[in-house]
Amino acid sequence: DAKTTQPPSMDCAEGRAANLPCNHSTISGNEYVYWYRQIHSQGPQYIIHGLKNNETNEMASLIITEDRKSSTLILPHATLRDTAVYYCIVSMEYGNKLVFGAGTILRVKS
Amino acid sequence: DVKVTQSSRYLVKRTGEKVFLECVQDMDHENMFWYRQDPGLGLRLIYFSYDVKMKEKGDIPEGYSVSREKKERFSLILESASTNQTSMYLCASSLSLLAGSYEQYFGPGTRLTVT
Repeated sequence: DAKTTQPPSMDCAEGRAANLPCNHSTISGNEYVYWYRQIHSQGPQYIIHGLKNNETNEMASLIITEDRKSSTLILPHATLRDTAVYYCIVSMEYGNKLVFGAGTILRVKS
Repeated sequence: DVKVTQSSRYLVKRTGEKVFLECVQDMDHENMFWYRQDPGLGLRLIYFSYDVKMKEKGDIPEGYSVSREKKERFSLILESASTNQTSMYLCASSLSLLAGSYEQYFGPGTRLTVT
């Protein structure tokens, strides 16, 4: 059973904010939302995670709706190097049992 | 920086061969994981380990075994390789739950082809 739903692909202009949505309507109270990305020919890379509050780090911001049924990953100033597959994952095992779906292919264009 | 290394980027083996995929991490992480990645199926967890000599089955353990004799090294073993095990194999590591870590660090992957 898919726990998250993401659009298959998105385009973003270089320098603009990239907003990647994720639906997780069956999330339970103790499950976290994680975002990873995978650049071509590399292993996945952790970006950010959150439980219910919005989070920000040096890479991105994570906005989680109040009902926790959806979230948005924001890359504030996308660059060509941000072109990758972005995975939204829901997990309660402190991030250990991660189930990666198909993700969203983000293409940043100049 | 955490470094997770895998023994080979590309590997070609014949059906029936015993295959060892090696993974080493240099940050004293307690947890280690093996995934496989296939087009249209995403990453799927094969096995993981919370400590030396401990292992837990993931979602698709059939046809695989693992070994963790030292903290820094986690091996994936295909006892008798089959063509349906042709895939990209990814290793990852993370700190223990007690350390409050949420991040898995991944290696570059090994693309295994079984002919």
